[in-house]
Amino acid sequence: GAVVSQHPSWVICKSGTSVKIECRSLDFQATTMFWYRQFPKQSLMLMATSNEGSKATYEQGVEKDKFLINHASLTLSTLTVTSAHPEDSSFYICSAGSGRANDEQYFGPGTRLTVT
Amino acid sequence: KNQVEQSPQSLIILEGKNCTLQCNYTVSPFSNLRWYKQDTGRGPVSLTIMTFSENTKSNGRYTATLDADTKQSSLHITASQLSDSASYICVVILWGNQFYFGTGTSLTVIP
Repeated sequence: GAVVSQHPSWVICKSGTSVKIECRSLDFQATTMFWYRQFPKQSLMLMATSNEGSKATYEQGVEKDKFLINHASLTLSTLTVTSAHPEDSSFYICSAGSGRANDEQYFGPGTRLTVT
Repeated sequence: KNQVEQSPQSLIILEGKNCTLQCNYTVSPFSNLRWYKQDTGRGPVSLTIMTFSENTKSNGRYTATLDADTKQSSLHITASQLSDSASYICVVILWGNQFYFGTGTSLTVIP
């Protein structure tokens, strides 16, 4: 199957700083990328959907000014957590696909963010 | 109330045994239903994808079934292995490409 990578795999930052997480589709062009967060023992929660070259669509309750998403190319999307706080500590996962309903969606390995 | 419910929440089985995980959903009409395996600290990996018109799909030792009338799906794992220990997530995708994730079943296979 297709490969999606994330970088970094884990990051520790101080409260108030910003952190950027990269999501790359390594062997295919991803029209659509999705960003999720997952708290321990809970399922994935969709944060936003980004289409290459356009603004991301955020789910209700997700602050777009806090979680900045850029999808500048068909192989790269970035999520920037601005002014991070301890409650932002979570597992962030991206996925990539064509955006069509029956097409496969390939998940990245996730990024563990810890804000101290 | 979650629109995709999975049961059991957690399960422990002996290596070599079979098990069945359940997924009940209320969202409809849907385009397809998927089962994913998620190892701890990793992203989910697709096991099966079934359209609304399919009622079974196999992938090696994994067999998923779908009953659209009762809005139930199951994932059967045969001859379990230690590496099957993971969370298994049922996902229902609507025609508008909205994803509904189940809360997952945590499976532990012990020797």
